[in-house]
Amino acid sequence: DTEVTQTPKHLVMGMTNKKSLKCEQHMGHRAMYWYKQKAKKPPELMFVYSYEKLSINESVPSRFSPECPNSSLLNLHLHALQPEDSALYLCASSQEAASLSYEQYFGPGTRLTVT
Amino acid sequence: SQKIEQNSEALNIQEGKTATLTCNYTNYSPAYLQWYRQDPGRGPVFLLLIRENEKEKRKERLKVTFDTTLKQSLFHITASQPADSATYLCALGRDDKIIFGKGTRLHILP
Repeated sequence: DTEVTQTPKHLVMGMTNKKSLKCEQHMGHRAMYWYKQKAKKPPELMFVYSYEKLSINESVPSRFSPECPNSSLLNLHLHALQPEDSALYLCASSQEAASLSYEQYFGPGTRLTVT
Repeated sequence: SQKIEQNSEALNIQEGKTATLTCNYTNYSPAYLQWYRQDPGRGPVFLLLIRENEKEKRKERLKVTFDTTLKQSLFHITASQPADSATYLCALGRDDKIIFGKGTRLHILP
């Protein structure tokens, strides 16, 4: 199974809501990533988990809070977001976290709209 | 700061010809370079990985070159088909840094 799944596919939330994005992989990968992608822009790395520990936080605002409950699951908790946070949120995994020395498998993304 | 440029935003190529996409970078020395394909509304799909000590990699109709002196990678699709139409992204990595280029939208014309 070489699939990364993400739920939900679409999410609309108000600026005062709290919601969570979920990501799952069963490839035995030890690195998992969150990216943000706005329209016609490249994916921007947000967080990297390596062996279930946060190894990279690319200066992401605290209204985004990642969590890695186990080696197969990755969550992104959202709270008090702004309209400019509307984007496609992509989860990815790779065998190890070593700055692109391994291919990354991406999920289909969650399209987030903040109203 | 590090910068990646992928040639044009969009490229039209006649079916059957070779499509060549360019990825140039500045203020960076990546250890690894990857190419991905992304279709609208979907996540990127990995195509090829090349390391800084490698000059060329091939996979079926795909070929990537990596010139660390010119700070450039070229991505070729030979015998292009309409199904190859998509956005192609290059990504560079070293240590904790991963950067994606904006991508080139490739249209293969039947």
